[in-house]
Amino acid sequence: ILNVEQSPQSLHVQEGDSTNFTCSFPSSNFYALHWYRWETAKSPEALFVMTLNGDEKKKGRISATLNTKEGYSYLYIKGSQPEDSATYLCAFIGSNYQLIWGAGTKLIIKP
Amino acid sequence: EAGVVQSPRYKIIEKKQPVAFWCNPISGHNTLYWYRQNLGQGPELLIRYENEEAVDDSQLPKDRFSAERLKGVDSTLKIQPAELGDSAVYLCASSAGTGTYNEQFFGPGTRLTVL
Repeated sequence: ILNVEQSPQSLHVQEGDSTNFTCSFPSSNFYALHWYRWETAKSPEALFVMTLNGDEKKKGRISATLNTKEGYSYLYIKGSQPEDSATYLCAFIGSNYQLIWGAGTKLIIKP
Repeated sequence: EAGVVQSPRYKIIEKKQPVAFWCNPISGHNTLYWYRQNLGQGPELLIRYENEEAVDDSQLPKDRFSAERLKGVDSTLKIQPAELGDSAVYLCASSAGTGTYNEQFFGPGTRLTVL
């Protein structure tokens, strides 16, 4: 059974601090990894689509790295702002196009 | 550009009743996904369509759930009869292209409560 795990489950961060969290996924049969942000009362919104080992992607203060050999991806947020409060989800896509989501990391930014 | 549209946004029904959810994907998106999301968990893929063909329905509980995507555009997900454990948020998403996993665009979801 393939498993995608995200840690921590929840995270409280002081405004202005930087933070990061992890998505762990199977290291075999990798096709792609997606990161999404899901704000309360809104729809999930794509952040990054990552396909290559060593990929680093950046969007504003948010960046992500990918290690397919060891099966993990990190999401970094620099200088957290209240609007960063959301649940961050990763989705693993295997080479057989099997799609598995993590349970998410709930990030709360304290002003 | 209009996003993914879902209706209804909320639905409260009694167990054993039928319920249906509707999704209109982004225009031109060939791939459509239905997910179920329980509190504290990630979305669980129920079914994925490429155009009008269901290419992955391995997680769809076929005894009570059914879905269709006539003409490869709008889609309907039905539950009959509903059970208490079906209470969840049902999300629809769409993406461009087929045979690949491009960025998905999500609708607002339907929150189902089964009493």
